[in-house]
Amino acid sequence: GAGVSQSPSNKVTEKGKDVELRCDPISGHTALYWYRQRLGQGLEFLIYFQGNSAPDKSGLPSDRFSAERTGESVSTLTIQRTQQEDSAVYLCASSPTSRETQYFGPGTRLLVL
Amino acid sequence: KNQVEQSPQSLIILEGKNCTLQCNYTVSPFSNLRWYKQDTGRGPVSLTIMTFSENTKSNGRYTATLDADTKQSSLHITASQLSDSASYICASYPGGSYIPTFGRGTSLIVHP
Repeated sequence: GAGVSQSPSNKVTEKGKDVELRCDPISGHTALYWYRQRLGQGLEFLIYFQGNSAPDKSGLPSDRFSAERTGESVSTLTIQRTQQEDSAVYLCASSPTSRETQYFGPGTRLLVL
Repeated sequence: KNQVEQSPQSLIILEGKNCTLQCNYTVSPFSNLRWYKQDTGRGPVSLTIMTFSENTKSNGRYTATLDADTKQSSLHITASQLSDSASYICASYPGGSYIPTFGRGTSLIVHP
């Protein structure tokens, strides 16, 4: 079946603009994660959704970052008033439950000028 | 603080040769350790998952080892192929948590 998909693949924006990144998880996967991968750095956890439970937002770096997920479907990560340090690859992953193998999407490459 | 350190940072080998990548972790309590392969422009793909009681696990030409006493893991690649060129990422999952700690990865280049 289809894997995790993300859109857009690439996004170039100007400093101060808002961006919205989309993740379509594998159907039936209840757990969904967002990570940030800066050049030369390890993946940083941002936020975790599990079914209809309250999300774990402990990894969000500032209040400019927010994410939503409706049920067990699509998730969107929004970055408001983008800064140059937000430039990174944003990866989404889903898994059947929280402790099973995570399947990653291809990522969205964000460049803030 | 949970940390995962990988070495070397980068590695260049000739096609057909073997190589070993290292991962040291300080995640506690430990639940499991995973190795991922990330091709350029793609998301990571899981290669192996090892729990506390497992010392060795193989996936084709990839063999991972785990020493829970020294908190070290290695990924051995046998008879390398050009398609093995990628970043290899080690991630440790703490017990009681669903949030992993990732290493920075080892960039492997296989030359013909």
